[in-house]
Amino acid sequence: SQQGEEDPQALSIQEGENATMNCSYKTSINNLQWYRQNSGRGLVHLILIRSNEREKHSGRLRVTLDTSKKSSSLLITASRAADTASYFCATDAGGNNRLAFGKGNQVVVIP
Amino acid sequence: ETGVTQTPRHLVMGMTNKKSLKCEQHLGHNAMYWYKQSAKKPLELMFVYNFKEQTENNSVPSRFSPECPNSSHLFLHLHTLQPEDSALYLCASSQGSKSNEQYFGPGTRLTVT
Repeated sequence: SQQGEEDPQALSIQEGENATMNCSYKTSINNLQWYRQNSGRGLVHLILIRSNEREKHSGRLRVTLDTSKKSSSLLITASRAADTASYFCATDAGGNNRLAFGKGNQVVVIP
Repeated sequence: ETGVTQTPRHLVMGMTNKKSLKCEQHLGHNAMYWYKQSAKKPLELMFVYNFKEQTENNSVPSRFSPECPNSSHLFLHLHTLQPEDSALYLCASSQGSKSNEQYFGPGTRLTVT
């Protein structure tokens, strides 16, 4: 089954800087989702972008999707210490409620 | 996170014990999921339930036994586990129709000794 793969795996930035992470996948999708996970906690849904969309914004988050390259990026602008977390992309290909998650990006925002 | 609750939050059990994990969702969703999250591995889907019916068993060993008595509750019964089963077990729910976002509980941190 397909699986999102985030890149880079770990990112350390200063508060106020932007953080960008990428995700690639292997097969056609219905949508791609990004989730955040604070240490040892459950995942929190951030944003969903459908296969016919190219860009989507939500607050300080900007997601792009390039279906020709089978890749997506998540940009967090003006990062805050509270953004420190792991970020996962997940792809939905079959419409059967089955999401395939990537390994995650660890982002550390230094105050 | 309060939409999906999980108990207990932490569990230590021996390999011969029998225990159960509980998940409850207060969101009116129709689909519920169990995931296993181990260090350095992607999130692994274990089971999917739609309208109380199991629609996916992702080749999970029989020492893990799910139960879904209604659309709001999901259990994972554990027996004769192995140390490699130690992980964070996450429950999630979704509306159940196509391509919906999933809402996760806080997880149960399981340690098998």
